[in-house]
Amino acid sequence: DVKVTQSSRYLVKRTGEKVFLECVQDMDHENMFWYRQDPGLGLRLIYFSYDVKMKEKGDIPEGYSVSREKKERFSLILESASTNQTSMYLCASSVLAGNSYNEQFFGPGTRLTVL
Amino acid sequence: AQKVTQAQTEISVVEKEDVTLDCVYETRDTTYYLFWYKQPPSGELVFLIRRNSFDEQNEISGRYSWNFQKSTSSFNFTITASQVVDSAVYFCALSEAQGSGGGADGLTFGKGTHLIIQP
Repeated sequence: DVKVTQSSRYLVKRTGEKVFLECVQDMDHENMFWYRQDPGLGLRLIYFSYDVKMKEKGDIPEGYSVSREKKERFSLILESASTNQTSMYLCASSVLAGNSYNEQFFGPGTRLTVL
Repeated sequence: AQKVTQAQTEISVVEKEDVTLDCVYETRDTTYYLFWYKQPPSGELVFLIRRNSFDEQNEISGRYSWNFQKSTSSFNFTITASQVVDSAVYFCALSEAQGSGGGADGLTFGKGTHLIIQP
């Protein structure tokens, strides 16, 4: 069964802290993604990666960075957390699709609160 | 730039009614992919369907059906004989086939429709 796991379901941090959100997939997928979900805004892409050590900016990368040292793991880093980064963070993965586009599989999400 | 519009923020119906969720998209590409995802109260997005731009055939899966019309840039989702378990937020999403290739680019999501099925 397809599985994407995220390290925490709920996280509370203070302004200025460095925050790591971890995502692991067990499907040997090449592509991995980080989204944030906010009420009334839907899901917005932060960063994505199509290979180990490769990363690409999404629509809202400001204030975030990512790391992909191993194929199965994709980390989202908030260098200095701010209150406007309070959100639900969703990780996803998909298989490399050639000329097509396969569906993404999502993790359960991490609800981050920055105080 | 691509865009997905789900104009219905919230829909509430009584169980066993049919309900249609609207999705309108914008893209300059001739090759693109459309998706529907379900997000139940537990929070995890569940994939429902993928459709590519070359396939305008409607699809039915049990009580679910999808109507794809390129002429109106719409990809609507209908639930027949709704059930309480259908209560969730439903997202329509779009991806263009260009870019990095291999499906590596992210999806563009609509803002979602919150569907409430009352018993």
